[in-house]
Amino acid sequence: DSGVTQTPKHLITATGQRVTLRCSPRSGDLSVYWYQQSLDQGLQFLIQYYNGEERAKGNILERFSAQQFPDLHSELNLSSLELGDSALYFCASSVAGSEETQYFGPGTRLLVL
Amino acid sequence: QKEVEQDPGPLSVPEGAIVSLNCTYSNSAFQYFMWYRQYSRKGPELLMYTYSSGNKEDGRFTAQVDKSSKYISLFIRDSQPSDSATYLCAMSESGYALNFGKGTSLLVTP
Repeated sequence: DSGVTQTPKHLITATGQRVTLRCSPRSGDLSVYWYQQSLDQGLQFLIQYYNGEERAKGNILERFSAQQFPDLHSELNLSSLELGDSALYFCASSVAGSEETQYFGPGTRLLVL
Repeated sequence: QKEVEQDPGPLSVPEGAIVSLNCTYSNSAFQYFMWYRQYSRKGPELLMYTYSSGNKEDGRFTAQVDKSSKYISLFIRDSQPSDSATYLCAMSESGYALNFGKGTSLLVTP
C-alpha cells in the first residue's frame, strides 16, 4: 500500500458525459501527479500540482482539467467523454524536493460506453 | 518514435534465473531513471531510482544506467514466482514529468 488513495475504483459512463476522479496523496506529500494508462499509449503524464498550484503539464486534453485543494487532495475532471478516454487513471504523489520518486495510487478504471 | 522504448515481452524464465530487463531512450537530457513494478490491476510500485549514470543495487535488484549508449537495465537475481509482473522503466529530465516505457511482462515459472 503506497498511502495514495483514489476513488472510485471503477467508473462506467456514456460518451458525452462528465466524471470526476479523486486522489488523496500520502501524508506530507505536497505534489500530486495524474497519469493515464492505456494499452496502446502506455502510461502518460497528464498534469502535476504542487501545494495547490499547477506545476507541469503533459499530454492533457483540453476536455480534461484538474485542481488541488487546500487539504492537498486533487480531482481530475474529464468532460465530453469519448470512447478513447477509456483507460486507467493513476494519481501519484511525492515529497517536496524528491519529485523523481513518485508513489502511485491503485488507479481508477474508466470505461466509456 | 517514442522517447522511451521497451520490449513488451512476454519474458518467461524458470525460478532462480537471472532476469535482464532493458530500455533505450532518445532524449539525452534525461537525468533521472526509475524502474517500477506493476502487478495486474494495481498501481505501479517504485523499485529502483538512479540519478545520472552508474549502478545501484538493492537486494536482488540491480539497476544500471549507461547514458553514453542511452540504455538502462534492471537485473533481478534469484527470480521468484512473486516477481511475475510488468516492469516499467521511467525517466525524466527534471524529475517532474515521468516518461514511461510501455512495460515488459515477466513470468517466473516454478
